This record gives sequence, structure tokens and C-alpha cells, in this order.
Amino acid sequence: SQQGEEDPQALSIQEGENATMNCSYKTSINNLQWYRQNSGRGLVHLILIRSNEREKHSGRLRVTLDTSKKSSSLLITASRAADTASYFCATDELGDTGRRALTFGSGTRLQVQP
Amino acid sequence: KAGVTQTPRYLIKTRGQQVTLSCSPISGHRSVSWYQQTPGQGLQFLFEYFSETQRNKGNFPGRFSGRQFSNSRSEMNVSTLELGDSALYLCASSLPGEKLFFGSGTQLSVL
Repeated sequence: SQQGEEDPQALSIQEGENATMNCSYKTSINNLQWYRQNSGRGLVHLILIRSNEREKHSGRLRVTLDTSKKSSSLLITASRAADTASYFCATDELGDTGRRALTFGSGTRLQVQP
Repeated sequence: KAGVTQTPRYLIKTRGQQVTLSCSPISGHRSVSWYQQTPGQGLQFLFEYFSETQRNKGNFPGRFSGRQFSNSRSEMNVSTLELGDSALYLCASSLPGEKLFFGSGTQLSVL
């Protein structure tokens, strides 16, 4: 089963525009992470936000977390064609046995047109 | 520092066969996780190993198994392959509670 659900499933924008992706999850989390995947390749970690944080920035990336609504958003500013990829949110739940599995959402496919 | 290495990159098998995939984590990482990715089901957690012990397991049949060696390298095995096992199998390593570093994956095709 998937903890996180991304919205939209697909997004097409022009270079220079901003891209916003949303993620909703169901249970309490230790942290929430965003990953990027180029077609058929491994995932690359973008940013991690802990449950006690509300906003985090990394370069052109801005992530927000609202634990009361169990949701997060990823904003990519001034997008480039090279940002074309699938983006996944992943939730990290801390259970009795220690670190549990990182559960991934269904992903947003971003297409940035040059 | 070398990244996570998965071998082989591509694999073609027939139904009923078994397969073993290998993963070498980043030096110093003792946690290794395996994921299956398919277009229909997305990324699904298979299992996680830490210091040679399986710490967590996803909802997969017993045909899927794994192990971790003392040098933290990990293998996963799928026996009696089915068509539905065709997928990209991703391995990731990490420090405890931190972000995952993924390998490029093994693309398995079952004919």
C-alpha cells in the first residue's frame, strides 16, 4: 500500500515557470522526503523535512509540511528542461523496531518544455 | 566515494526460473533496502536489512527473499518467477534514519 499520494499525476509547464507538486499521507510520520527519478533510473534524494519543521529550502526547491493536514508540497522555481523527471514523496514512520520502511507515493511526472 | 552499485543492470528470465540480484551499498552504510517498481503498483517496499538482520519486510510472497553479508553487501532472490515479477528492482543504502541513496536498479524481464 502507498502512504503518500501525489497530485497532480502529471504536470507540463514551460521553462522558467514554477512547478508545484502536492503530497498527502495517512499516518504520523518521523520525516517526509522528496525524491526525483529520471526515466528508468534510480531515485535521487532532493530534500528531507522533519515532522517538527514547516518549511525548508534547497536551491530552487522549497518544501512545506503541514502535519495537521498530513500534506506536503514541493515547489520548483524557475524550472529548466533538465528538471523533467518523476518526483516522489516518501514518508518515514518510526515504529517500535526502529526505523521503518520509507513508503513512497505514486509520483508526479513533470515535463518542462524548452 | 562510490555510490550504490547494483548488478546486473538488465536480466531476462523465463517463468519458473529463479534470479539473484546483487547490491553493494555505500561504504559505511549498514542499512540496505530493496524496492520493486512497476508501472501499475509504483514503488513498493520489499525488505530492509541492517547489520545482516532483516529488520522490516513488505507485503510480498515468500518467493522473495534476501540476505545481507558482513560487509553490508546484500542480495535478493526471487524463486519460481512469474510474469508479474517483471519490474525495476531498486536497492538503496543509508545511515540510520537518514536519506536513501539508490542504485540504478536491475531491470528484470520475465518471459
